[in-house]
Amino acid sequence: KQEVTQIPAALSVPEGENLVLNCSFTDSAIYNLQWFRQDPGKGLTSLLLIQSSQREQTSGRLNASLDKSSGRSTLYIAASQPGDSATYLCAAQYGNKLVFGAGTILRVKS
Amino acid sequence: AAGVIQSPRHLIKEKRETATLKCYPIPRHDTVYWYQQGPGQDPQFLISFYEKMQSDKGSIPDRFSAQQFSDYHSELNMSSLELGDSALYFCASSPGTLYNEQFFGPGTRLTVL
Repeated sequence: KQEVTQIPAALSVPEGENLVLNCSFTDSAIYNLQWFRQDPGKGLTSLLLIQSSQREQTSGRLNASLDKSSGRSTLYIAASQPGDSATYLCAAQYGNKLVFGAGTILRVKS
Repeated sequence: AAGVIQSPRHLIKEKRETATLKCYPIPRHDTVYWYQQGPGQDPQFLISFYEKMQSDKGSIPDRFSAQQFSDYHSELNMSSLELGDSALYFCASSPGTLYNEQFFGPGTRLTVL
């Protein structure tokens, strides 16, 4: 069964800290690994997409890595800000569908 | 830049009623996906269409049906609504399938009373 797990479930950090969110997937036959941000009751904003042949992608203060063989991806957020507070979801693409993790709820305190 | 449009944004229905959700993909995107996100849960894949043909099917109840039209917009039809159908329904689109990034709409919040 294709499952995606995210650790930690919740994280609270002071402003300015660098942090790492972890994502693991059971089936390594993925096409892509996508990271999303979701604010409470809102839609999904795509942050980064890593294709299966790639090792990492960067966008501003965000860096995502992918180790397909070990079934892991990490999202690194540098110099966190209160505006980064949200739920971060990773999703592995199998065929046409995305299989989501339960998310990491991030709170950045000012 | 144009984004995925979903309508309505909010919908309230009674049990056993029907509902139709609409999705307008980003221009030149030929693939549409539907996801359901229950309260406090992660999004679950329902169904996808590529070039107006169903391309993949997930955990979509038999009470639900969907189609993609010639202008690439898609509709999700839900009948005999149950309380458990209350959720946020997302539509996403992509140019082609498989290796392409899925762009999500703002969602339709369906409440079944």
